[in-house]
Amino acid sequence: GAGVSQSPRYKVAKRGQDVALRCDPISGHVSLFWYQQALGQGPEFLTYFQNEAQLDKSGLPSDRFFAERPEGSVSTLKIQRTQQEDSAVYLCASSLAGQGYEQYFGPGTRLTVT
Amino acid sequence: GENVEQHPSTLSVQEGDSAVIKCTYSDSASNYFPWYKQELGKGPQLIIDIRSNVGEKKDQRIAVTLNKTAKHFSLHITETQPEDSAVYFCAASINNDMRFGAGTRLTVKP
Repeated sequence: GAGVSQSPRYKVAKRGQDVALRCDPISGHVSLFWYQQALGQGPEFLTYFQNEAQLDKSGLPSDRFFAERPEGSVSTLKIQRTQQEDSAVYLCASSLAGQGYEQYFGPGTRLTVT
Repeated sequence: GENVEQHPSTLSVQEGDSAVIKCTYSDSASNYFPWYKQELGKGPQLIIDIRSNVGEKKDQRIAVTLNKTAKHFSLHITETQPEDSAVYFCAASINNDMRFGAGTRLTVKP
């Protein structure tokens, strides 16, 4: 079956621009996670949804970062007024349920802020 | 919060040899320990996981061991093949909070 998909795969933004990154989770997966992966590092948690409810956003680095999942399926991560330090790969993962269940990752969106 | 340490950061082995990657975690409440393989330009792929009520789990050439008392867990790959070359990440999770190690770049030389 189809896995987690993300779009765009690559995004170049000028500093100060807003960007929107999309995640399509595996059909039927209740939980959705966003991670940020800097070059040479492991993924770092940003935020978590269970259905349409955002249950944890403690990893969002600033109020320029905003995520939504209005219908409990597709999710969008928005970054306003991008800065160079936002350059990273943004990974989305989904799981069948929330606690201690396997998370399946998408291919990521590589964001480069110039 | 949880802190996961992973070593070595790079590992080079000859094809057919075994590879071992070790991780430690700080929070004794962590109860789920997955391992991911990430190839260049791709997202992490779950290869094996273990839960805190199990000490060891094996899947073909891959095995994972967990020592809850010492708070460490390890990935063992036997009979390595060139296609095993990738970056491997361990992670420790409490409910939905998953923390990753910094990764191990494994190179298998033919």
